[in-house]
Amino acid sequence: GESVGLHLPTLSVQEGDNSIINCAYSNSASDYFIWYKQESGKGPQFIIDIRSNMDKRQGQRVTVLLNKTVKHLSLQIAATQPGDSAVYFCAERRGWGSQGNLIFGKGTKLSVKP
Amino acid sequence: ETGVTQSPTHLIKTRGQQVTLRCSSQSGHNTVSWYQQALGQGPQFIFQYYREEENGRGNFPPRFSGLQFPNYSSELNVNALELDDSALYLCASSFGVQYQETQYFGPGTRLLVL
Repeated sequence: GESVGLHLPTLSVQEGDNSIINCAYSNSASDYFIWYKQESGKGPQFIIDIRSNMDKRQGQRVTVLLNKTVKHLSLQIAATQPGDSAVYFCAERRGWGSQGNLIFGKGTKLSVKP
Repeated sequence: ETGVTQSPTHLIKTRGQQVTLRCSSQSGHNTVSWYQQALGQGPQFIFQYYREEENGRGNFPPRFSGLQFPNYSSELNVNALELDDSALYLCASSFGVQYQETQYFGPGTRLLVL
């Protein structure tokens, strides 16, 4: 079935390095994508979003890249810090109403080594 | 902090019982969406309420029902609890139902069904 999935379930990086978390989506009708960060015992926290008419969007230390040709989304975190350790989810949205819910992948766990 | 609150934080029920979970949306938000997150999985959409009416539903049975009140707070009710209902229940609030409206999540209610 259609789904948003992640290539790597776990990612371990050294503090100060850059992190790249990847995500594949299968529904070409999806036109809005969001990255969430979820720390243990907490709800998902919005990081950054991107619309399908964009290829790249930058935030504070984070960049999201969208490649619609291969249906691929990535989250880049610059100068990764211990506080970035969490599970990261990409989610897609396909419209409003019954289509307006978020469809999440399984998540990638990011571990930052000091 | 997103300003979205949920109660209770934890709950233990037995199979066959009924449960009510509550959510207060962020100030100014009129839309609440509910998600179920099983351990190690991404959140799955249950339903969405907009201005006190259900505005979309995921693949969940009718024993999952909800309400939204005039102040836009919301309840999730689950009847005839099953063991598989054990999960983290998340609510997210947003303004309006435009598909690109960012959803902000609460901390969740952890439900354990014995």
